[in-house]
Amino acid sequence: QVQLQESGPGLVKPSETLSLTCIVSGYSISTGSYWGWIRQPPGKGLEWIASIYQSGSTYFNPSLKSRVTISVDTSKNQFSLKLNSVTAADTAVYYCARLEQVVTRAFDIWGQGTMVTVSS
Amino acid sequence: QSALTQPPSASGSPGQSVTISCTGTSSDVGGYNYVSWYQQHPGKVPKLIIYEVIKRPSGVPDRFSGSKSGNTASLSVSGLQAEDEADYYCSSYAGSNNWVFGGGTKLTVL
Repeated sequence: QVQLQESGPGLVKPSETLSLTCIVSGYSISTGSYWGWIRQPPGKGLEWIASIYQSGSTYFNPSLKSRVTISVDTSKNQFSLKLNSVTAADTAVYYCARLEQVVTRAFDIWGQGTMVTVSS
Repeated sequence: QSALTQPPSASGSPGQSVTISCTGTSSDVGGYNYVSWYQQHPGKVPKLIIYEVIKRPSGVPDRFSGSKSGNTASLSVSGLQAEDEADYYCSSYAGSNNWVFGGGTKLTVL
């Protein structure tokens, strides 16, 4: 059973860098598939942030591209997100998810989400 | 890329049917058959209920169905049940390995 679990600080100061990690269990990232980050501000909708393939190829939401880094560590079976120069507008629940590209072409498995608040 | 457009709310009585629309452009919804729908109950994780416009993952009731015409995709729920009350989000492939979501629709079962 594939499971994803986000981890990282729940509070980040304005102008600093938000860093999150998603640990994957029950599936080897090296096998393939794409992996992504999606966020949801309180009371609002979902927003795709970025995706990464196991090879390291990366793809970004154009509106966030200048501030986002996504990376994968196949040895630890995890992938990570960094969002720099954060503001209050970046306060959200951040989800990691598997972007399954063979059968569904959709985000088929999600982590539980982690709430990140940007505040001084 | 802009978010896909969904109505903020929809409603229906138990047993009735309801349809939620998701409007994009020829660069996303209209250009690819990679529209998916997600159900999210309050405080819960989004759950994939429709992929590739019309397909259902294993375990999703056949009361949920998807369709697409031009730049607009739709999710239909027939035989509404209390447990269907949730937020629903559409998503589409937007080319160049980009993805876009809709703003979400709150479905109320009256």
